[in-house]
Amino acid sequence: SAVISQKPSRDICQRGTSLTIQCQVDSQVTMMFWYRQQPGQSLTLIATANQGSEATYESGFVIDKFPISRPNLTFSTLTVSNMSPEDSSIYLCSGPVEGTDTQYFGPGTRLTVL
Amino acid sequence: AQSVTQLGSHVSVSEGALVLLRCNYSSSVPPYLFWYVQYPNQGLQLLLKYTTGATLVKGINGFEAEFKKSETSFHLTKPSAHMSDAAEYFCAVSYPAAGNKLTFGGGTRVLVKP
Repeated sequence: SAVISQKPSRDICQRGTSLTIQCQVDSQVTMMFWYRQQPGQSLTLIATANQGSEATYESGFVIDKFPISRPNLTFSTLTVSNMSPEDSSIYLCSGPVEGTDTQYFGPGTRLTVL
Repeated sequence: AQSVTQLGSHVSVSEGALVLLRCNYSSSVPPYLFWYVQYPNQGLQLLLKYTTGATLVKGINGFEAEFKKSETSFHLTKPSAHMSDAAEYFCAVSYPAAGNKLTFGGGTRVLVKP
């Protein structure tokens, strides 16, 4: 399995500000994924982050709102920009162990926007 | 578009009773299938997965699931519930041709009564 860590684990932010979430994997992974889990709901994929290329966003998510960086094969960041209370969610990153089809998840970042 | 349906957003079982969580997918091509568990205030942990081969798969914590292609189902069972099984369970699918990104069902919250 892969060990994935995220920072911060939680934050409370003011409307209109931005927060950058970091995701670190203990092994090299080609693709990393960012998911959003709104309160009481399931997970929705925001985007796929590939090293060396721009992230691929799912329908309903745009780069201006959720810019993503992927500087190397073990690290990625997701920024939640110009936040509103509707952005209050748990944000999770995941990555498959190289050579397998199984994704492992970080512990999540619990974001509250006031 | 692929979809995953989990029947029942909440399930209540008595300690020692059978746990049965239902998952159906909709696609003409059989996907890879996963069950994840999320304990309160934690990330997602992989319980088990099916990709190819034997259709009955065993996972951690005494859980197992059976892939039934004719029914497009991947139901999760555990013969005897334990208090520690109280959590939210997510069924998910992925397709290698689509980069292994996960599509999740709505989740089922399991309550275990003493």
